[in-house]
Amino acid sequence: DVKVTQSSRYLVKRTGEKVFLECVQDMDHENMFWYRQDPGLGLRLIYFSYDVKMKEKGDIPEGYSVSREKKERFSLILESASTNQTSMYLCASSFGFDRDDQPQHFGDGTRLSIL
Amino acid sequence: SQQGEEDPQALSIQEGENATMNCSYKTSINNLQWYRQNSGRGLVHLILIRSNEREKHSGRLRVTLDTSKKSSSLLITASRAADTASYFCATVTGGFKTIFGAGTRLFVKA
Repeated sequence: DVKVTQSSRYLVKRTGEKVFLECVQDMDHENMFWYRQDPGLGLRLIYFSYDVKMKEKGDIPEGYSVSREKKERFSLILESASTNQTSMYLCASSFGFDRDDQPQHFGDGTRLSIL
Repeated sequence: SQQGEEDPQALSIQEGENATMNCSYKTSINNLQWYRQNSGRGLVHLILIRSNEREKHSGRLRVTLDTSKKSSSLLITASRAADTASYFCATVTGGFKTIFGAGTRLFVKA
């Protein structure tokens, strides 16, 4: 079974801090994604990556950056955390370059609170 | 912007009953997927239906797709308490563009 592991289940940070969320997958998937999930809004894509060192902006990239130095690891960075970034963050991975028919496999999420 | 919108937002049924959730979307799609999310967990993929398919089955799940109406439905037959979760449709319009709806919360009473 595919395992997507997010480094923290719960995280509390202060406004202005630089925050790192880490995600590791163990199935050699090419594609990795970061979403945020807010009540009533579903999942919104922040960034995705289809290869090492490659990244593409999603629908809401403002205030975030990402890093993918190794195939199995995809990091989400909040450059200067703000209270409106309090949310549940979900990482996902999927197989295949340029394949849109593969399921995404999700981690259990990081619930981030910015005070 | 949200592509898929699920209906109803919440559904409460008795164990053994069938549960039907609907999803409507706005633009042409390559395929549509349904996911389940248990409370406090990540999403789990349930089933994928391609744009040229009309119906698909997997165990107690039945998915239909009507591209002329831009809608899909997920039927769970003989519901169990363990089916209590949120269910999301996700439309894939090309490449990696997957758009998730806001979800239907299903509660199955034992």
